[in-house]
Amino acid sequence: GESVGLHLPTLSVQEGDNSIINCAYSNSASDYFIWYKQESGKGPQFIIDIRSNMDKRQGQRVTVLLNKTVKHLSLQIAATQPGDSAVYFCAETGGYQKVTFGIGTKLQVIP
Amino acid sequence: GAVVSQHPSWVICKSGTSVKIECRSLDFQATTMFWYRQFPKQSLMLMATSNEGSKATYEQGVEKDKFLINHASLTLSTLTVTSAHPEDSSFYICSATGDRATKETQYFGPGTRLLVL
Repeated sequence: GESVGLHLPTLSVQEGDNSIINCAYSNSASDYFIWYKQESGKGPQFIIDIRSNMDKRQGQRVTVLLNKTVKHLSLQIAATQPGDSAVYFCAETGGYQKVTFGIGTKLQVIP
Repeated sequence: GAVVSQHPSWVICKSGTSVKIECRSLDFQATTMFWYRQFPKQSLMLMATSNEGSKATYEQGVEKDKFLINHASLTLSTLTVTSAHPEDSSFYICSATGDRATKETQYFGPGTRLLVL
C-alpha cells in the first residue's frame, strides 16, 4: 500500500559535503527502484534508478546503493549544492508498473 | 525528453463545482497514466491508474464517481473532480509511462494545486 507520513524526516547538510538519504522498502518482490526529487510546488523529477540485479549504480554526482538482504536503498549526493535542497522519495515497483512511494526525506543544504 | 505537462497549474473553485485537470505527454506516447494526490508534507498517494482506451482502475478508498478519469488518447488523460468540497483541496499530480526504454519509469507532470472554497 501507500506510505504516508505526517512529518517528513529532515537531513541538514553543509554545502559541499556529501549527503546520504536512506530508504527502507517493504516488498521483497520489488525488482526496480527509483529515486525522485521534488522541489516545493513541483512534481517529482526522476534522478536515478536501479534494478534488483545490481547493488550499485552511479550517475552524475549521485549514487544509488541497493541492499536486498535488508531491503534498504540509499541515495548518495556528492558535493551537495543549494540546488539539491528538496524532498527526496524512493519508489519501488514489483511488476505491473504500480509504484509505491516512501514517505520522503527533506534535504536542507546549509550555505 | 519524456515531458509531461498539466493544465491548469492551479485552480480555485467554489464548493459544489466541478474541476477538470489535463495531463499530457508531450514527446512520447503514454500507454499508462497515473493520478496522485499529495497533501502538505506527505508522500504521493496513488488515486488511479488509467490505460489508454480502457476504464481507470481506482485505488481503495477513492470514489470513482467523484474523481472521473478519462484516457481517450495516447497523449492525454483528464481528471475531473466532481462536486468539489474543501477537503478535496490538494496537489494533484499525474505521471505517465509509455514507449520509453524503461517502461516502468514514471515521468511526472508539474502538478495542479486545487483550492476549493
